[in-house]
Amino acid sequence: GQQLNQSPQSMFIQEGEDVSMNCTSSSIFNTWLWYKQEPGEGPVLLIALYKAGELTSNGRLTAQFGITRKDSFLNISASIPSDVGIYFCAGVDGGSGYALNFGKGTSLLVTP
Amino acid sequence: DGGITQSPKYLFRKEGQNVTLSCEQNLNHDAMYWYRQDPGQGLRLIYYSQIVNDFQKGDIAEGYSVSREKKESFPLTVTSAQKNPTAFYLCASRERGTDTQYFGPGTRLTVL
Repeated sequence: GQQLNQSPQSMFIQEGEDVSMNCTSSSIFNTWLWYKQEPGEGPVLLIALYKAGELTSNGRLTAQFGITRKDSFLNISASIPSDVGIYFCAGVDGGSGYALNFGKGTSLLVTP
Repeated sequence: DGGITQSPKYLFRKEGQNVTLSCEQNLNHDAMYWYRQDPGQGLRLIYYSQIVNDFQKGDIAEGYSVSREKKESFPLTVTSAQKNPTAFYLCASRERGTDTQYFGPGTRLTVL
């Protein structure tokens, strides 16, 4: 598998601000997933994207499946302290048992 | 409640010892996966299994072994051949016909 390029590596923002992060790949994926991980815990699925150009929301989170199928974006609006964590993008590799290829994550810190 | 359980949460091992990490799911998912996470890194695939009694190597399988004797269980053995075993280990499962994986809470292995 490949490691995806995720940016920014970290973000330090104030409560109420909007956040944007993105993920790029050298390969095409048919599914993009976004996860959030808190310290010492397993990743929790936030949003799944299945179609190029798709825009999907989950509360204050919005994610988009890039039209080239090689990138994806996650936006968080009006951030709150409980948004703190590491956000990972993952592309699904159908050729390897649908294993996930992950980015290195974006660490988000939110100050009240 | 349906979900994925991993035990133990923390595990300490002396160099040269084999150790087995448990992963159980009651979601009736066919596919199960093991990933390794190192600090500041994304998750990397160790092994996966799409059906009972069958499993495949992932990107970093050297020094690890698995079995899949029951649909619900996918234990991972970290052998003494794994040169740098200290890491956070995550198990995941996937329902047939879908792309999304759901993760357990993880096991942190420390080699002393």
